[in-house]
Amino acid sequence: QKEVEQDPGPLSVPEGAIVSLNCTYSNSAFQYFMWYRQYSRKGPELLMYTYSSGNKEDGRFTAQVDKSSKYISLFIRDSQPSDSATYLCAMTGQRAGKSTFGDGTTLTVKP
Amino acid sequence: GAVVSQHPSWVICKSGTSVKIECRSLDFQATTMFWYRQFPKQSLMLMATSNEGSKATYEQGVEKDKFLINHASLTLSTLTVTSAHPEDSSFYICSAISPRGSEKLFFGSGTQLSVL
Repeated sequence: QKEVEQDPGPLSVPEGAIVSLNCTYSNSAFQYFMWYRQYSRKGPELLMYTYSSGNKEDGRFTAQVDKSSKYISLFIRDSQPSDSATYLCAMTGQRAGKSTFGDGTTLTVKP
Repeated sequence: GAVVSQHPSWVICKSGTSVKIECRSLDFQATTMFWYRQFPKQSLMLMATSNEGSKATYEQGVEKDKFLINHASLTLSTLTVTSAHPEDSSFYICSAISPRGSEKLFFGSGTQLSVL
């Protein structure tokens, strides 16, 4: 079983929809949770970064962490065609930088 | 955010030749960088951790003699794919830890390697 499981998708939504992307994990040592966005043939870009349980909002993006359930989510409000990309969840424990990544969810937002 | 520059963005080479990929932190010093490999529609596979001034730490199954990593300065790490073969064709990406020492990673733009 993988340490990090990400909803595989792909997801296709109309412009303006609310998108929910989800990951579960099994390692209780994970303390830091990240979401990255990756456009085709480009390096991932850090979108959201959270530590411990709770919600964090940044513009149209909200990251949610529930450590008791070992479940994290990324919500995108008012989705735009430019949000079309692959979204990777990532998490790490005490060892700086050696993150464990989900397999990614490809999102398409149709105009 | 911090900027990581990766070059080249794509390279085509003949089988048996060596290819060098550079990863630079442009506006911060990166004591630790990471190298990944990514196959189409798959996630990032960590190949090695590159530490400035010391030997790289390779993940299990990654041939250190095949993928040479050098981190000679605080702003530059290089990955050399030696004696490349078609099966080495892949998308290679580097990353560096945020200058504030947190868990954030900043990624280069990736290098598409095609070995003929």
